[in-house]
Amino acid sequence: NAGVTQTPKFQVLKTGQSMTLQCAQDMNHNSMYWYRQDPGMGLRLIYYSASEGTTDKGEVPNGYNVSRLNKREFSLRLESAAPSQTSVYFCASSQTGEAFFGQGTRLTVV
Amino acid sequence: AQSVTQPDIHITVSEGASLELRCNYSYGATPYLFWYVQSPGQGLQLLLKYFSGDTLVQGIKGFEAEFKRSQSSFNLRKPSVHWSDAAEYFCAVGPNDYKLSFGAGTTVTVRA
Repeated sequence: NAGVTQTPKFQVLKTGQSMTLQCAQDMNHNSMYWYRQDPGMGLRLIYYSASEGTTDKGEVPNGYNVSRLNKREFSLRLESAAPSQTSVYFCASSQTGEAFFGQGTRLTVV
Repeated sequence: AQSVTQPDIHITVSEGASLELRCNYSYGATPYLFWYVQSPGQGLQLLLKYFSGDTLVQGIKGFEAEFKRSQSSFNLRKPSVHWSDAAEYFCAVGPNDYKLSFGAGTTVTVRA
């Protein structure tokens, strides 16, 4: 049982480049979300999807877009990466009160 | 608006000693409260959660937490710490299980 799988695990981008972070869960959860983790700031919610076909902004959505491709997959896109987006990104899913997190994607924008 | 404060950035504790991590929250109604643990290079793992009912909540790995509405607190405790408990701990609050606000985290170091 893989749980929540994120790809890639590491990525280095140049300023202005675009990329998509992939996330898939195999637990049949309705809710999925993307967080970013920065030192001393805990995790901050970027976007969430309460169910298939819906997405909503979280606390720090600027510079990001998301797609809930189907019930399993929820991708995060950076259209024009900036150094301020250097962070560790976590995808998570939940159904009944417990969020399951992926292993994270460490993104560096130079 | 919801928010969480973890007053202690770093705690060092001896193996076998007790541990208490503080968490204070701000939320207008009865919150969903969580404690997560993160080992280096790993994702977050749920230790315990509170939605309603008994204010003393038991979790995994021997951890417990107590919800005190009057103090807006949800402190995490463990009676006897093991070296494997060295990690970063996050308290979180929300109106449900996904739209969460996390604290900045407390790093726990365990000395032999």
